[in-house]
Amino acid sequence: GQNIDQPTEMTATEGAIVQINCTYQTSGFNGLFWYQQHAGEAPTFLSYNVLDGLEEKGRFSSFLSRSKGYSYLLLKELQMKDSASYLCAVRDSNYQLIWGAGTKLIIKP
Amino acid sequence: DTAVSQTPKYLVTQMGNDKSIKCEQNLGHDTMYWYKQDSKKFLKIMFSYNNKELIINETVPNRFSPKSPDKAHLNLHINSLELGDSAVYFCASSQGSGVTEAFFGQGTRLTVV
Repeated sequence: GQNIDQPTEMTATEGAIVQINCTYQTSGFNGLFWYQQHAGEAPTFLSYNVLDGLEEKGRFSSFLSRSKGYSYLLLKELQMKDSASYLCAVRDSNYQLIWGAGTKLIIKP
Repeated sequence: DTAVSQTPKYLVTQMGNDKSIKCEQNLGHDTMYWYKQDSKKFLKIMFSYNNKELIINETVPNRFSPKSPDKAHLNLHINSLELGDSAVYFCASSQGSGVTEAFFGQGTRLTVV
């Protein structure tokens, strides 16, 4: 079966750096997405990786290793507004998005 | 302008009723989706639809049916509602089935009592 694994919850301090990991086993691979979802709101797009390596976008970076079935989202200079769930999703060989359950990130002052 | 809008935002109804959730996108996308997010926070695809193909997740009961009057709309009809249908339902759209990201509506919280 297809599976996306992420930690359920993480806690970090304002101003610090946090890395959220995602491992996947899917039937084929056509890209990996990271989304942010604040409580009670819709997911919003953060990043997309299809080739190995690091994609940087402001305070957020996302890394992909296809051979390891592994990605991480790196958040720098954490702000209180970064408290949210972070969802990893993989597009499989049928171009369907397979979603992880999300990582709830709690930021403390 | 709202990119993907769905109504209603909250829906409370009794078991056995039939209900619909509407979704509209003004992004010009050609593919729309319905997702269910349950209490465990998993986002599960229910349907994906473009003007060529409807893809149904085989685990979705046939009480659920998508209706698309045109490319900008994909409504979700649910017959004979059950307690287990309580969840947040998200509509989304993207351009084609390629590599572009999906844009989500604000969600409809359905509670079946």
